[in-house]
Amino acid sequence: ETGVTQTPRHLVMGMTNKKSLKCEQHLGHNAMYWYKQSAKKPLELMFVYNFKEQTENNSVPSRFSPECPNSSHLFLHLHTLQPEDSALYLCASSPKSVGGLSITNEKLFFGSGTQLSVL
Amino acid sequence: QKEVEQNSGPLSVPEGAIASLNCTYSDRGSQSFFWYRQYSGKSPELIMFIYSNGDKEDGRFTAQLNKASQYVSLLIRDSQPSDSATYLCAGYSGGGADGLTFGKGTHLIIQP
Repeated sequence: ETGVTQTPRHLVMGMTNKKSLKCEQHLGHNAMYWYKQSAKKPLELMFVYNFKEQTENNSVPSRFSPECPNSSHLFLHLHTLQPEDSALYLCASSPKSVGGLSITNEKLFFGSGTQLSVL
Repeated sequence: QKEVEQNSGPLSVPEGAIASLNCTYSDRGSQSFFWYRQYSGKSPELIMFIYSNGDKEDGRFTAQLNKASQYVSLLIRDSQPSDSATYLCAGYSGGGADGLTFGKGTHLIIQP
């Protein structure tokens, strides 16, 4: 497999459920991200892991919990979500090569996304 | 607050014509810009990036950057129906992923 793979593609869950999104990158990249994409809104950065360490958390509610066991895998654990959390959740990776040209470090490679519906 | 503005469209262009997608940004500290293409139901895919004033060409695509006017554009020559998609502009002002600001995207339709 190549690129960034994300599962599941679609998820419907109730507000009391607990579920997890999974992401795996096969590009040898050092950084992984979770983005949220809602209709008519720009992509919103949720979490960043750089060399497995969480470096940014953009004031995301605690009902979203990320986990990065290694530089190739990223999870987003979901619990007690709200209907307004329904959106497309995108995983991405980037090179983040130490000493590399800055702009190259920020090129994002996205997974296919999980379309989440919260009932 | 950093903002990247795009006309949401839809922008309708006849096949074979030049499609011109525009983007303005508020943060003068933005150093470089990315154009992502997103087909309906798919994830964004990087097609161009630019960090110097002027034009950068890659096949049928040309990115243009004017830092004085805080304006970025993407030109698609010889438009094809397969170019129909939403195009996302993103500006990068440094400091890691938090320095990347996306616009809402422009929906482009190429009419056969």
